Amino acid sequence: DVKVTQSSRYLVKRTGEKVFLECVQDMDHENMFWYRQDPGLGLRLIYFSYDVKMKEKGDIPEGYSVSREKKERFSLILESASTNQTSMYLCASSSRVASSYNEQFFGPGTRLTVL
Amino acid sequence: KNEVEQSPQNLTAQEGEFITINCSYSVGISALHWLQQHPGGGIVSLFMLSSGKKKHGRLIATINIQEKHSSLHITASHPRDSAVYICAVGEDTDKLIFGTGTRLQVFP
Repeated sequence: DVKVTQSSRYLVKRTGEKVFLECVQDMDHENMFWYRQDPGLGLRLIYFSYDVKMKEKGDIPEGYSVSREKKERFSLILESASTNQTSMYLCASSSRVASSYNEQFFGPGTRLTVL
Repeated sequence: KNEVEQSPQNLTAQEGEFITINCSYSVGISALHWLQQHPGGGIVSLFMLSSGKKKHGRLIATINIQEKHSSLHITASHPRDSAVYICAVGEDTDKLIFGTGTRLQVFP
C-alpha cells in the first residue's frame, strides 16, 4: 500500500519559533509538493521539488523554505512562525511516469496553530 | 477569475438522492482529477480523466474537453459520501491547479 506520511497531525507553536514539517513517501516518486489549505481558498502550492536538492517556488513561498536531501523526504521550514501561517499543511508526491501523469498522493495533513 | 471553478460550494442531500458537482476550467489541460477529502484532512484521488467518462461503484465522472467542463455524479448517495470534493487540472507540467472544493453533506 503506497504511503505518504507527515511527521505530526497537530502542532502548536509560538510566534517567532522555527518550525519543521517533515514528509516521507515510499513510492520512489520524483516529485514532491507542499501545500497549505485554508477555508475558501483551496489548496495553494508553497514549494515543489522534482528531484533531490532541486526546488521550485510555488504560488505562496514567502515565509517558507524547503529541503530535499533524500528522494523520499521533503521538509517544509517556517523560519520564524507567524500567526498568519496557522493553517492545514498537506504534502503530496507524484511520479513523472507518463501513465500516472500528474496523479498526486497526499499525506494526512498537519494542522499547525501559531499562537 | 479562478482558473478552476466548482459549483456548488456547498450541497446538502437526503440519503438516496442523485448528486452532481460541476467543474469548469479555463486552461488547456492534460488531465482532470477529482479528489475526496474527509473531515480530518486526508485527500484521496477518485478519478483521473482526459476524455469521456469513468465509473467506479456509485461514482461517475465525465469530461467535455471542448466545453472545458467536468461533472462528478454520485448515485444513491449515502451519509458516508459526506466530504469535500475537489476538482484539479493538470497542464503540461507536473503541477495541479485546484478548485476550492464542494462541501457535500448527506443526511439519513
